[in-house]
Amino acid sequence: EVQLVESGGGLVQPGGSLRLSCVVSGFTFSNYWMTWVRQVPGRGLEWVANIKRDGSEEYYVDSVKGRFTISRDNAKNSLYLQMDSLRDEDTALYYCARRRVAAATNWFDPWGQGTLVTVSS
Amino acid sequence: SYVLTQPPSVSVAPGETARITCGGNNIGSKRVHWYQQKPGQAPVLVIYYDSDRPSGIPERFSGSNSGNTAALTISRVEAGDEADYYCQVWDNSNDFEVFGTGTKVTVL
Repeated sequence: EVQLVESGGGLVQPGGSLRLSCVVSGFTFSNYWMTWVRQVPGRGLEWVANIKRDGSEEYYVDSVKGRFTISRDNAKNSLYLQMDSLRDEDTALYYCARRRVAAATNWFDPWGQGTLVTVSS
Repeated sequence: SYVLTQPPSVSVAPGETARITCGGNNIGSKRVHWYQQKPGQAPVLVIYYDSDRPSGIPERFSGSNSGNTAALTISRVEAGDEADYYCQVWDNSNDFEVFGTGTKVTVL
């Protein structure tokens, strides 16, 4: 069974840092791009970052560029999101998901259950 | 940046058909994917590549895409279909993933 389990969320002050983790099982992690998507409670989905199979390419939404870093450890079947200089507006439920790549498109399947990040003083 | 617009809500009686639209500039030239999110749960892929269904998704779910509008159609709606639905495309001009604004489907 394919599973993605996020952890690392919590309460952090503005300007602080947090590292999210996503441990996967049930598929060959190194064969897939991965992604982070976030959702403010009661609001819509927002893509955050993608990382290539071998970690050689990363892509970010403009609002987190220079503050967030996506990374992976294929030996540990783990995906990470290092979040620095956190702002109130980063408060959200953060999901990791497997990114399926096809000709000129990609989609996300499956998703983890999410980990909540709250940025507040 | 590329914008996907969905109606905030759609209401449908059980057994009827729900059609959820996703509007975008020349969206017909892109491939559209759809996710279902029930309260307190993670999103689940229900349609990919405009109209393909992942295994385990009922045939009642179908998709289409042409011109400036993509659509997710749910036939013979059941109470269990009540959820938020999001469309998604890849904006290849920026290497960005884009989600629609989301539509809440209410089963009357």
